[in-house]
Amino acid sequence: DAGVTQSPTHLIKTRGQQVTLRCSPISGHKSVSWYQQVLGQGPQFIFQYYEKEERGRGNFPDRFSARQFPNYSSELNVNALLLGDSALYLCASSLPSGRTGELFFGEGSRLTVL
Amino acid sequence: GQQLNQSPQSMFIQEGEDVSMNCTSSSIFNTWLWYKQEPGEGPVLLIALYKAGELTSNGRLTAQFGITRKDSFLNISASIPSDVGIYFCAGPSPTNNNDMRFGAGTRLTVKP
Repeated sequence: DAGVTQSPTHLIKTRGQQVTLRCSPISGHKSVSWYQQVLGQGPQFIFQYYEKEERGRGNFPDRFSARQFPNYSSELNVNALLLGDSALYLCASSLPSGRTGELFFGEGSRLTVL
Repeated sequence: GQQLNQSPQSMFIQEGEDVSMNCTSSSIFNTWLWYKQEPGEGPVLLIALYKAGELTSNGRLTAQFGITRKDSFLNISASIPSDVGIYFCAGPSPTNNNDMRFGAGTRLTVKP
């Protein structure tokens, strides 16, 4: 079975640009979460979506937005990119009946902002 | 906010040695999880603990949920080269179970 898939795997943007990252969850998983992982740190929660509704939001500015589609895939958008947005962006899916914290992560999208 | 402190930050051990790492917090957690991340990959769940005092094993890995609910440890016995990676402890925010808090990780290097 396919795991969580993310695209693109790597991308380079310049300050002020906008980026869209995509995620397809494991088949049957209806919840998708997004995390930002800066080099040398653990992942930091950005958003969680379940059944197309936002169910949680971390401490990130409004430049970060996301949505979930009817097929449960998700997009993360970041506007007006800053150098500090350079990071690995991880998507994780989970079962609706899954236990707390049982997340299945994709390989991530590595964003470099110049 | 809830901060998870992991120690040590890094470990360099010989193949066959046992490893112990821990995670502490100033706040209580109701769930403790341990993830492993290898280069170029996302974190993978190793062990989940849901009850204070719980001791759970997964092969050569053993983790415990501290009685105070403010700490957890992970042991790896008889390490092998494929144990190399970064080990993260994690737990849910008290206000939102969907918001998982991660420590900064313990980087493990195993010398053959």
